[in-house]
Amino acid sequence: TQLLEQSPQFLSIQEGENLTVYCNSSSVFSSLQWYRQEPGEGPVLLVTVVTGGEVKKLKRLTFQFGDARKDSSLHITAAQPGDTGLYLCAGANPNAGKSTFGDGTTLTVKP
Amino acid sequence: EAGVTQSPTHLIKTRGQQATLRCSPISGHTSVYWYQQALGLGLQFLLWYDEGEERNRGNFPPRFSGRQFPNYSSELNVNALELEDSALYLCASSLVLGQGLRPQHFGDGTRLSIL
Repeated sequence: TQLLEQSPQFLSIQEGENLTVYCNSSSVFSSLQWYRQEPGEGPVLLVTVVTGGEVKKLKRLTFQFGDARKDSSLHITAAQPGDTGLYLCAGANPNAGKSTFGDGTTLTVKP
Repeated sequence: EAGVTQSPTHLIKTRGQQATLRCSPISGHTSVYWYQQALGLGLQFLLWYDEGEERNRGNFPPRFSGRQFPNYSSELNVNALELEDSALYLCASSLVLGQGLRPQHFGDGTRLSIL
């Protein structure tokens, strides 16, 4: 069974601070997605990383895929209250015919 | 482009009843996935349909079932409802399977409450 562990589970910070969220597994994934989910809504895709060592930037968000394609990180610079939400990582395994989701990191950014 | 749409938004049932949840994928997407998200927890994979066929299912009892129609829309049926079935049920769609699974696009879910 493939598992994705996200850490930390909860994170509460002040506006303007930086943070990093981690997504780790012992399994190799063909690609990995990061989503953000706000209360009452479905997850919204932020990014897909495919190549080991790949780094993608989305405004103040930086995503990195580990060299071995087993782990990933999400770094947010100068967090804003609008960044508040549940951040989910999901690893794709075509052989299993499904994506495996982590349990998420709940981020609260206080003004 | 319309996103993934799910109906109803909320559904209230009692123990032992049956529930039907519906999902319309993004136009052009042939794969539909169903997930259960209990309060405060991550997404648990339920079912995957592609081209009308069930391709994979998660570790859920047989009373969770579904189908995909020729227009790629999908239904999730839950029989003999139990209290622990109370959760947000999310549907996602993606393009046809290719070199690795495609990113999934989610609807806003159906909140199922069992009284």
